[in-house]
Amino acid sequence: LAKTTQPISMDSYEGQEVNITCSHNNIATNDYITWYQQFPSQGPRFIIQGYKTKVTNEVASLFIPADRKSSTLSLPRVSLSDTAVYYCLVGDFHTGGFKTIFGAGTRLFVKA
Amino acid sequence: DAMVIQNPRYQVTQFGKPVTLSCSQTLNHNVMYWYQQKSSQAPKLLFHYYDKDFNNEADTPDNFQSRRPNTSFCFLDIRSPGLGDAAMYLCATSRGRTSGYNEQFFGPGTRLTVL
Repeated sequence: LAKTTQPISMDSYEGQEVNITCSHNNIATNDYITWYQQFPSQGPRFIIQGYKTKVTNEVASLFIPADRKSSTLSLPRVSLSDTAVYYCLVGDFHTGGFKTIFGAGTRLFVKA
Repeated sequence: DAMVIQNPRYQVTQFGKPVTLSCSQTLNHNVMYWYQQKSSQAPKLLFHYYDKDFNNEADTPDNFQSRRPNTSFCFLDIRSPGLGDAAMYLCATSRGRTSGYNEQFFGPGTRLTVL
């Protein structure tokens, strides 16, 4: 089962680009990488999902190197409202069952 | 708006007194999940339903049970709550389980207090 490692916390300032890296050394061939955002007292919210190379949507980009042992969530021009916990998940539904576990998460603090 | 609804938002129960948390969805999704999230920890998957097929996580205590009477509703039953069961309980849904279909939509959660 792929385990993920993320920085516990990060600080940034408004308007900066933030990159949060997740390590997943034993990612399986069928595993996808998914990121969620969670604000206090709310459920997590899906940000982005990818398998390899680069994925971009309206809120973020996800960079995945060829070996897929890590991934980087990139948030362009963060604002105060991006202060939240960001979770990296690695897994998928395999024949043997559902294998997706939330990592410990990275607490991002965006300062004015 | 299509959404995932959890009731109640806050639930207080007594040690050992059975409690039921409810979740409903208007997304018509096939999969419904229940997570437990303790303070400053990541959500931990308890079990999920794919349609009517129940899938329990190996380390989920027997004290936790679930029911899904129809597509829209799913319930979490805690038969004998202990102090360690105090947590936020999150319900989520997804269209499917495999990538491309497994984006999870979470409800606001129910915060359970055990006295």
